[in-house]
Amino acid sequence: GAGVSQSPSNKVTEKGKDVELRCDPISGHTALYWYRQSLGQGLEFLIYFQGNSAPDKSGLPSDRFSAERTGGSVSTLTIQRTQQEDSAVYLCASSLFGDNQPQHFGDGTRLSIL
Amino acid sequence: AQTVTQSQPEMSVQEAETVTLSCTYDTSESNYYLFWYKQPPSRQMILVIRQEAYKQQNATENRFSVNFQKAAKSFSLKISDSQLGDTAMYFCAFMKPYTGNQFYFGTGTSLTVIP
Repeated sequence: GAGVSQSPSNKVTEKGKDVELRCDPISGHTALYWYRQSLGQGLEFLIYFQGNSAPDKSGLPSDRFSAERTGGSVSTLTIQRTQQEDSAVYLCASSLFGDNQPQHFGDGTRLSIL
Repeated sequence: AQTVTQSQPEMSVQEAETVTLSCTYDTSESNYYLFWYKQPPSRQMILVIRQEAYKQQNATENRFSVNFQKAAKSFSLKISDSQLGDTAMYFCAFMKPYTGNQFYFGTGTSLTVIP
């Protein structure tokens, strides 16, 4: 079946602009995660959605970052007034809820801020 | 808080040889799950292997196996008969159950298989 889909795969924008990154999880997966991966670094947790519960936003680095998940499916990560340090690969993952459920990742969006 | 440490930023191995990637973690939990993910240059993270902490038997998936030492909080990945396609970043991850499936990732080990 279809995996996690992210768009765009690459995004180049000027400093100060707003960007929206989209994630379409695997059908039936109630959990959805956003991570940021800077060059040569590990994965930095950003935000987690589970069903209709309030999202865990504890990883968002600043108030310029926000995310929503509409209808329990597609999620959009928005970065306002982008800065050069926002340049990174943004990965989305989804999973079934429950113990030992692995996360399934998309191919990521490579964001470059000029 | 849970922390995951991968102390080997880069490693290399000759094709067909065996290599072991190390991972240690810190937790006060008794039950949890551990994972190894592979990220090739294509960027997509791929699950390699997983281990439940309550199982003493080490997990194995074809050429991939783990050495899980619960008391030492160590979870190393052994790759046997290394292949060129194994070249990738490898991430160790920890998951505490009943917390919403939040994963904690290490910083990764870049593995290069040399022909």
